[in-house]
Amino acid sequence: DTEVTQTPKHLVMGMTNKKSLKCEQHMGHRAMYWYKQKAKKPPELMFVYSYEKLSINESVPSRFSPECPNSSLLNLHLHALQPEDSALYLCASSQDRVRVQGRTEAFFGQGTRLTVV
Amino acid sequence: AQSVTQLGSHVSVSEGALVLLRCNYSSSVPPYLFWYVQYPNQGLQLLLKYTSAATLVKGINGFEAEFKKSETSFHLTKPSAHMSDAAEYFCAVRGDTGGGNKLTFGTGTQLKVEL
Repeated sequence: DTEVTQTPKHLVMGMTNKKSLKCEQHMGHRAMYWYKQKAKKPPELMFVYSYEKLSINESVPSRFSPECPNSSLLNLHLHALQPEDSALYLCASSQDRVRVQGRTEAFFGQGTRLTVV
Repeated sequence: AQSVTQLGSHVSVSEGALVLLRCNYSSSVPPYLFWYVQYPNQGLQLLLKYTSAATLVKGINGFEAEFKKSETSFHLTKPSAHMSDAAEYFCAVRGDTGGGNKLTFGTGTQLKVEL
């Protein structure tokens, strides 16, 4: 099973709402990622978790709050977002630190299309 | 920091023609390089990866890429384009920062396949 599952697929939220994006993988990967992708642009890294600990935060505003409750789950909590935060949010997972020779790739979910109104 | 540069944001080919998408990397050490494809409103799918085991890498859907250290390139090719190949293609590099878990993408190349 090489699947990363993201829910929901679509989300519309107001600027005062609180919502969460969820991501799940069962490949035994210990690195998990959140990316933001605007239309016609490449994915931009937001956060990386390694062994359930936050290892990279790319200076993301605090209205985005990641959480890794266990090795299979990754959440992104959203609060007080702005319309410019509307984008496709992608979750990915991979082997941590290229520990296993040859298994270097990241697997991506289908994304959550977020619209902030 | 390691990075990749994709030359040509849009490439148009005729069905049956050769596909060539360009990617150059910047790295002081042998990099881990990847090509991903993204269809509209979908996530990214891995096409192929370079991990130093072989310089010519074969991927899915008939795509392949050749790692050329002398040119710091990892160009993606397919001998004969199909209509279903129309998509956005991203070159990516996995870097040493962040404990080796930082995956950075190029700006992407939109491939159009015409009849």
